[in-house]
Amino acid sequence: EVQLVESGGGLIQPGGSLRLSCAASGFSVTYDYVSWIRQAPGKGLEWAAVIYTDGSTYYAHSLRDRFVISRDNSKNAVFLQLNSLRVEDTAMYYCARMPAQTSRFHSWGQGTLVTVSS
Amino acid sequence: QVLTQPPSVSVAPGQTATISCEGNDIGSRSVHWYQQRPGQPPVLVVHDYSDRPSGIPERLSGSKSGHTATLIISRVEPGDEADYYCQVWDSRSDHLYVFGPGTKVTVL
Repeated sequence: EVQLVESGGGLIQPGGSLRLSCAASGFSVTYDYVSWIRQAPGKGLEWAAVIYTDGSTYYAHSLRDRFVISRDNSKNAVFLQLNSLRVEDTAMYYCARMPAQTSRFHSWGQGTLVTVSS
Repeated sequence: QVLTQPPSVSVAPGQTATISCEGNDIGSRSVHWYQQRPGQPPVLVVHDYSDRPSGIPERLSGSKSGHTATLIISRVEPGDEADYYCQVWDSRSDHLYVFGPGTKVTVL
């Protein structure tokens, strides 16, 4: 059974950093793509970043200077480093599995909440 | 790529709900649909216009015509009340993977 479990969210002051984790099971993060998608309170879904099977990474243009996606193959986990956080980064952050060579988010985790506030 | 969805759709139980997703390049792209119930993560319900993942009932189906993709929910049940998002991949967009703004389906 495919499972994704996010962690690492919390309350952080503007300008701070957080590292979100996505622990995957039931599939390999080296054989499938993994994306991070966020959802601000009461708002829609916004794709943030993806890491492909070859290790290449892509970001939403507005986030690429502050967010970094990475993975640890030995732990079968994907991470999202959030830097220089802003109030508008407050959101639920989901990781999602994408079968390789597809553009769909096939399985989602429960999400981890990031709140940026002073 | 900008995707347009109606903000809301209301439907009586047992009736059919249709949710549209319009975009200039919809006809040439794979369109995927997600259901998000309150307080829950999204769930993929239709992918590549009309395919359903395992476990998704046949009552949910998808189609495409011209610049519009459509999610159809037949024999609507109270549990279908949720937000529904369409999504495409667009290498030319600021967001490589683009979501529509979402449609709130209310079961009367």
